[in-house]
Amino acid sequence: DAKTTQPNSMESNEEEPVHLPCNHSTISGTDYIHWYRQLPSQGPEYVIHGLTSNVNNRMASLAIAEDRKSSTLILHRATLRDAAVYYCILRGTINDYKLSFGAGTTVTVRA
Amino acid sequence: GAVVSQHPSWVICKSGTSVKIECRSLDFQATTMFWYRQFPKQSLMLMATSNEGSKATYEQGVEKDKFLINHASLTLSTLTVTSAHPEDSSFYICSARAAVRGEKLFFGSGTQLSVL
Repeated sequence: DAKTTQPNSMESNEEEPVHLPCNHSTISGTDYIHWYRQLPSQGPEYVIHGLTSNVNNRMASLAIAEDRKSSTLILHRATLRDAAVYYCILRGTINDYKLSFGAGTTVTVRA
Repeated sequence: GAVVSQHPSWVICKSGTSVKIECRSLDFQATTMFWYRQFPKQSLMLMATSNEGSKATYEQGVEKDKFLINHASLTLSTLTVTSAHPEDSSFYICSARAAVRGEKLFFGSGTQLSVL
């Protein structure tokens, strides 16, 4: 599976935007970019995914670089409930939809 | 939204006993289910993939005779940790994929297993 690289941690103030970068320079043309987050003592939660175009949903936006070698998850207005570990994962189309989690980025939100 | 129910939330057992963890998709049919475990301060590690009605596919290094996975129906998968030992203490998480729901995986809330 292609590898992703994320910063270990990021801090944000409440109600400010958070931009979470992810590098995936070995991405293949058919890999989907997935983002999940995990709150303490819970299972992960789907955030967003994309292939080539930028994506928006009620939780976040995903900005994908033109060469697809990096992407950025954008939380538009962080709340205390957004404090979690955010995982950027590439899903290949030949691996039966399984997701391999890396270390992720721990997001801390200051009140 | 789709819900995956995992039970129990936590379990304490004696060394040498077996523990069964259930994972149910409540409002969709899960064609594929995945089992992960997570040690403290670490990321999730995929243990196995199971498709309904067929044998599970285990990741390298995961003992299939120790971690028995059954996916007998489209809404239920179980993970049995046989002859549990303290080193099996971990947070076990299931996830499910519904073919009709595209790319998303839905995760259970996890089971904290403590083996004494």
